[in-house]
Amino acid sequence: DAKTTQPTSMDCAEGRAANLPCNHSTISGNEYVYWYRQIHSQGPQYIIHGLKNNETNEMASLIITEDRKSSTLILPHATLRDTAVYYCIVSPSGYSTLTFGKGTMLLVSP
Amino acid sequence: DAGITQSPRHKVTETGTPVTLRCHQTENHRYMYWYRQDPGHGLRLIHYSYGVKDTDKGEVSDGYSVSRSKTEDFLLTLESATSSQTSVYFCAIKGDRDNQPQHFGDGTRLSIL
Repeated sequence: DAKTTQPTSMDCAEGRAANLPCNHSTISGNEYVYWYRQIHSQGPQYIIHGLKNNETNEMASLIITEDRKSSTLILPHATLRDTAVYYCIVSPSGYSTLTFGKGTMLLVSP
Repeated sequence: DAGITQSPRHKVTETGTPVTLRCHQTENHRYMYWYRQDPGHGLRLIHYSYGVKDTDKGEVSDGYSVSRSKTEDFLLTLESATSSQTSVYFCAIKGDRDNQPQHFGDGTRLSIL
């Protein structure tokens, strides 16, 4: 699987948008970008994924650059409950396994 | 949330004893996975299954075996537990469509003394 690079930590004020970047410069044409988060000791929670186009769901938006070498996860109105470790993962489709890096620790403050 | 149940949720046992963790799903998904999570390592794949009786090794499979005799259950067995296997274990499932994401259970916290 292609490797990803994320900042170790980020801060965000409650109510503001949180923009989490991810670099994946060696991504292959058939690899998707997945975002998960893990709150404290809970299981990883799926957020969103995409291949080429920008995606939006009820949780977040995913912006993928045209060259696919980087992406940004956007939480439009961060709440305290969004404090978590966020993982950006690139993986082919199919049954391919996920390789988790260290992720970004997002701290949302009042 | 995806219909995934891991059992037990917590277990403390002694070195050398056999341990079996169970992952049960109600989604009828084809693919199932076992990961472990340790401080400083993130999640690492132990074994995965791509169908009944079809399994394969992951990154850290030594000391673990798995079985999948029916679609809904994926068992992880530590034949003779060691202290290095103290960890949090997560099960994940994935549907048949190619780009469907994996969904994770709540984990089993295993302590081996």
